[in-house]
Amino acid sequence: GDSVTQMEGPVTLSEEAFLTINCTYTATGYPSLFWYVQYPGEGLQLLLKATKADDKGSNKGFEATYRKETTSFHLEKGSVQVSDSAVYFCALSSGGYQKVTFGTGTKLQVIP
Amino acid sequence: ETGVTQTPRHLVMGMTNKKSLKCEQHLGHNAMYWYKQSAKKPLELMFVYNFKEQTENNSVPSRFSPECPNSSHLFLHLHTLQPEDSALYLCASSQEGTSASYEQYFGPGTRLTVT
Repeated sequence: GDSVTQMEGPVTLSEEAFLTINCTYTATGYPSLFWYVQYPGEGLQLLLKATKADDKGSNKGFEATYRKETTSFHLEKGSVQVSDSAVYFCALSSGGYQKVTFGTGTKLQVIP
Repeated sequence: ETGVTQTPRHLVMGMTNKKSLKCEQHLGHNAMYWYKQSAKKPLELMFVYNFKEQTENNSVPSRFSPECPNSSHLFLHLHTLQPEDSALYLCASSQEGTSASYEQYFGPGTRLTVT
């Protein structure tokens, strides 16, 4: 079945550091890929998405490129802020409708 | 209000209690979901309703009972829960049948503690 693997956290970075959170997936067909973010005390919010190979999703300075050859969708940001501290979830949707498979989440902590 | 709202935000209940979680979406969506979020585990999809009809039930124990009276409201009725049911319960919605079909919008969740 479909699965998503993302790097274990927590990830601790200083403000303005470069961020990479790795995500790889296994899926049948051609899935859509997503990054969701969960701030403390809140539900998940869609951060960005990509629906086909080589697409780049971007939002709020975050980017991720759909790499079919490596089945990856790594999240990057050039300069993190304290306000980016949250849990980040990689997810995919393929095959049957409404089915979204989530990774276990990676907690990011940015210190001033 | 906008988006997806959930009440209560926190709930503590004994194993013999009966309680209900409520979710309401103000986005005009036609599909709603219940997820369970436990520490260090992937989100677990529990139930899916599409056009008020239940289309998915991922082997959830019968002590969890969903109800979807209309496309804007979703309930999760709880009875005789176990301590391992303690978790954050998230509601989500989406608009099926469009190019944005797989974009789900989440509520803030209900933090449930079973004592």
